[in-house]
Amino acid sequence: DVKVTQSSRYLVKRTGEKVFLECVQDMDHENMFWYRQDPGLGLRLIYFSYDVKMKEKGDIPEGYSVSREKKERFSLILESASTNQTSMYLCASKARDRDTGELFFGEGSRLTVL
Amino acid sequence: GNSVTQMEGPVTLSEEAFLTINCTYTATGYPSLFWYVQYPGEGLQLLLKATKADDKGSNKGFEATYRKETTSFHLEKGSVQVSDSAVYFCALTNSGSARQLTFGSGTQLTVLP
Repeated sequence: DVKVTQSSRYLVKRTGEKVFLECVQDMDHENMFWYRQDPGLGLRLIYFSYDVKMKEKGDIPEGYSVSREKKERFSLILESASTNQTSMYLCASKARDRDTGELFFGEGSRLTVL
Repeated sequence: GNSVTQMEGPVTLSEEAFLTINCTYTATGYPSLFWYVQYPGEGLQLLLKATKADDKGSNKGFEATYRKETTSFHLEKGSVQVSDSAVYFCALTNSGSARQLTFGSGTQLTVLP
């Protein structure tokens, strides 16, 4: 079975802390994504990466950065966590092909910032 | 820009009831349309898709037809089960890049025994 694994299911952090969310996929996919899921807002794209060391901003990149040093791993970094970053974070991956819609998602990381 | 509008939830049905979750979209060109499902405690997974007008996507008893004239992609199932309880997301893309995948806000479905 294909798998996208997010390192932490639940995190509680304090305002101002640096937060790392890790995501690993075992499908040799070129594209990886970080989304944020909030009630009533659906999924919003934070950042995505189409290759190692390559990244592009999504719709809501402010307050976030990412790192992709290896093909299978894509990290989301909150340099200084704030309460408005309390949310569910979803990682996804996709092969570089013509079927644009089929993303494979991890189970999510629920972050609470106090 | 692209947008997806889903019927607001939550939706609560009894087992074996008929399900419709409405989805309409705004997009330029000829988008591909998708339904994703998120079961409790899990990530999203692709349920079905349609890539051109009049196509019908189907999976696990769910169906949706790509209606270009009404810009809609409503999800239907003839007889829901308790195990169908989940959040359903309508989504579209009209680009070669998945960066342009636009999601609706999601509809929570609860099926009671």
